Amino acid sequence: QSALTQPASVSGSLGQSITISCTGTSRDVGGYNYVSWYQQHPGKAPKLMIHEVSERPSGVSNRFSGSKSGNTASLTVSGLQAEDEADYYCSSYTSSSTLVFGGGTKLTVL
Amino acid sequence: EVQLLESGGGLVQPGGSLRLSCAASGFTFSIYAMSWVRQAPGKGLEWVSAISDSGGSAYYADSVEGRFTISRDNSKNTLYLQMNSLRAEDAAEYYCARGLATVDYWGQGTLVTVSS
Repeated sequence: QSALTQPASVSGSLGQSITISCTGTSRDVGGYNYVSWYQQHPGKAPKLMIHEVSERPSGVSNRFSGSKSGNTASLTVSGLQAEDEADYYCSSYTSSSTLVFGGGTKLTVL
Repeated sequence: EVQLLESGGGLVQPGGSLRLSCAASGFTFSIYAMSWVRQAPGKGLEWVSAISDSGGSAYYADSVEGRFTISRDNSKNTLYLQMNSLRAEDAAEYYCARGLATVDYWGQGTLVTVSS
């Protein structure tokens, strides 16, 4: 049950786009389309931003998009806004019927 | 509106036990798998355990297997996590969450502190 690999931090200027990667194995990210992305502001519970690789829940801005290629999933945030500054986590369902999270990425909006 | 309200956290000594509860409302509890996810202070998210909609199947992270037990009471719309033989490394905010393959709603968490 090793954690998925995410960059520790990414940054971008207001209005620009950034992409956060999430790398796993064929037993998790590569084997299932159950990859999700969560946004967490300090002191708050995580919020689902993307599920099933690229699906956006109702109410989530279309500036957030997801994709997957092989064992790596990605979250893209376009048109960066100040309120996007937060921690982002990916997760994937696994072949052991468990869930595994990435280590988290701190997004800084410059 | 989906609501998940955790309770039962607190201070416990190493080796002690604690039972967390999660009261669910705003959705049909009995048709959803449910999970517990924890977050140590300043650290990332760690999936702990999940249970199927009927309660017939339970799943655990290696780090808690044999010490924690997840259960549910669908008549009370409540999820539980019995935590035994607690260790310092179990100290965290514990979140109740709806789902397993996709976790879509989260509670606000209950804090577990393990210290002598």
